[in-house]
Amino acid sequence: QSLLTQPPSASGTPGQRITISCSGTRSNIGHNPVNWYQHLPGTAPKLLIHTTDKRPAGVPDRISGSKSGTSASLAVSGLQSEDEADYYCAAWDDSLNGVVFGGGTKLTVL
Amino acid sequence: QVQLQESGPGLVKPPQTLSLTCSVTGGAITSGGYYWSWIRQHPGKGLEWIGYIYFTGSPYYNSSLKSRLSMSLDKSKNRFSLNLSSVTAADTAVYYCARGVARPPTYFFDAWGQGTLITASS
Repeated sequence: QSLLTQPPSASGTPGQRITISCSGTRSNIGHNPVNWYQHLPGTAPKLLIHTTDKRPAGVPDRISGSKSGTSASLAVSGLQSEDEADYYCAAWDDSLNGVVFGGGTKLTVL
Repeated sequence: QVQLQESGPGLVKPPQTLSLTCSVTGGAITSGGYYWSWIRQHPGKGLEWIGYIYFTGSPYYNSSLKSRLSMSLDKSKNRFSLNLSSVTAADTAVYYCARGVARPPTYFFDAWGQGTLITASS
């Protein structure tokens, strides 16, 4: 059982905006920044957002991250077929002294 | 651009020790203050952080695995390794190596390997 809670699935049509939620506790999201990863099975996961809302070079600005209290969100606007993948949130947990991940959300572009 | 590639046995028999290696190209593992990390994904499940070894050689492990884990750096071959002892079927997973970046209070992985499937079965 993952310590960060994500919906198992999300979907949208091309051009639409979707959000993926990530719920945690005071010891992780409530106190530390959140990072997001994109993963196509069989390939190397990719860093999408770090430090809650920072995009690495090469990640388009239609992808954004935010946080409020003990929850975080990843938003993808202008949805494209290439966005179909699994998405994971992660954060440092002060109680466990380690990184905790969400269970992942499978995004389907209809 | 740094690239990472895992290598391992594929199959390990309980209660043997699992040994994995991550080869790094495009950058020296002893430079830059990076945290060379391992993460695994059980079948159909989310990701689990295993631990890291700092570029100085100091390790830090997930407390749930600490008693069975050891990590090391091989500077001459620019790679790092993981040993997990007394494996059980519960250690069956895809194992990823990754480069960790610390920007306190956050720590994230900016480069990953493609992963290697390890099956623990007799």
